[in-house]
Amino acid sequence: AQKITQTQPGMFVQEKEAVTLDCTYDTSDQSYGLFWYKQPSSGEMIFLIYQGSYDEQNATEGRYSLNFQKARKSANLVISASQLGDSAMYFCAMRELTGGGNKLTFGTGTQLKVEL
Amino acid sequence: GAVVSQHPSWVICKSGTSVKIECRSLDFQATTMFWYRQFPKQSLMLMATSNEGSKATYEQGVEKDKFLINHASLTLSTLTVTSAHPEDSSFYICSASTGGFETQYFGPGTRLLVL
Repeated sequence: AQKITQTQPGMFVQEKEAVTLDCTYDTSDQSYGLFWYKQPSSGEMIFLIYQGSYDEQNATEGRYSLNFQKARKSANLVISASQLGDSAMYFCAMRELTGGGNKLTFGTGTQLKVEL
Repeated sequence: GAVVSQHPSWVICKSGTSVKIECRSLDFQATTMFWYRQFPKQSLMLMATSNEGSKATYEQGVEKDKFLINHASLTLSTLTVTSAHPEDSSFYICSASTGGFETQYFGPGTRLLVL
């Protein structure tokens, strides 16, 4: 089974609108971390937001928020007030603390296009 | 802070040659560095994990004799693609962390094209 599943290969959103990028995960660990990264066409991986499995509150970082639903094993990224510069590939990743060390497992990504 | 550089950013080489890619942590000491490979329109796949002063741990299916990793200092790790072939053409990206479960900081990546 895939550890990280991103079911949306591509998404379109209008500028200034909010968009949700889906991510579900599969782990038997009790302790794990979930990450979202942005990868523009230049290739660099830009860290956006982190959610720990024991965090009770959803993580927020500026226009980014993580909708963490532990029972459903989902960690969706919400981008509010989309900007043209948000057009990029977005990856969800998981770090399992038991046996996984500090390794990150990435999903297949979602290509986001922000339109005028 | 937490800047990771990679050199070169682009490399084109002939089939059969070896290529060395450097990954440096510029403002912190990286006890652990990771090397990933990304094919076009695909996800990042972890190739290996290297800890300073010890041998790298390779992921299943990654040939350790083909992808030589050296992590000789707390700020530098190198990946050497030996006897490169066209199928090795890819985007190679490294990340570094201070160890434990600290955040990984990614380099800008190196695009390799083997002719």
